[in-house]
Amino acid sequence: GDSVTQMEGPVTLSEEAFLTINCTYTATGYPSLFWYVQYPGEGLQLLLKATKADDKGSNKGFEATYRKETTSFHLEKGSVQVSDSAVYFCALSGKAGNNRKLIWGLGTSLAVNP
Amino acid sequence: NAGVTQTPKFQVLKTGQSMTLQCAQDMNHEYMSWYRQDPGMGLRLIHYSVGAGITDQGEVPNGYNVSRSTTEDFPLRLLSAAPSQTSVYFCASSSWNSNQPQHFGDGTRLSIL
Repeated sequence: GDSVTQMEGPVTLSEEAFLTINCTYTATGYPSLFWYVQYPGEGLQLLLKATKADDKGSNKGFEATYRKETTSFHLEKGSVQVSDSAVYFCALSGKAGNNRKLIWGLGTSLAVNP
Repeated sequence: NAGVTQTPKFQVLKTGQSMTLQCAQDMNHEYMSWYRQDPGMGLRLIHYSVGAGITDQGEVPNGYNVSRSTTEDFPLRLLSAAPSQTSVYFCASSSWNSNQPQHFGDGTRLSIL
C-alpha cells in the first residue's frame, strides 16, 4: 500500500543554518504531496504542497520539489530561524478511489538554537 | 474565521467513563476525520466521514464511535475509556478535491487515569 518515510529526528540546528528534511514515498498513481507543520501546543497546519511531478511548493522560505523519478519530496530552507522550531510532517493524498485519506510520515522534530 | 473547532481542549477521565469529543467546521467540507497523535507513532486515523450520514473506520477504530448527522459536526465518542486511549486527538476537514489540504483543529489532550 501507499506509504511515506521521513528522516528521523530530532534535528538540531543553529540559526541561519541550511535545513533539509528527507521524505520519500511509495504510491500507486499520481498522489498529491504535502508538508504540514505543528508548532508546540498547536494543531497541524499546511506548510506547502505539490500536486504533480516537478511542481515546487514554497511558503515562508521553505521549498519542496515533487520528484517522481526518485519518489521524493524533500523539505529545504536556506536559513532557519528559532521560530521554525516545530515538528514537520510529510504526507500524501491518493487520488485513486473515493477516499480522501492522507498517508502520513512519522514527523521530524526540528529545534533551532539562537 | 473559525475553521475547525474542537472542544474540550483538555480532559481527564477515569477508566470506564465515557465522553464525547466535539468537532465542528464552518467551511462546508464534505470530508472529516479524527486522528490520534502519540509520541513516536505520528498520526493515526481513527474514523472518517465522506459526508452527512456516511462514516467509515480508519486504522485504529476500536473503542471509538462516530456519527455524522450534519455536514458541520463530527463528534467522536469514547465508549468506555481505557488508559491506552490517553492521547492528543485531532479533528480535520477538507473538500473532496484531493489537491486541497486538510484543515486541523487545535486538538484535545485527553488523559485516562
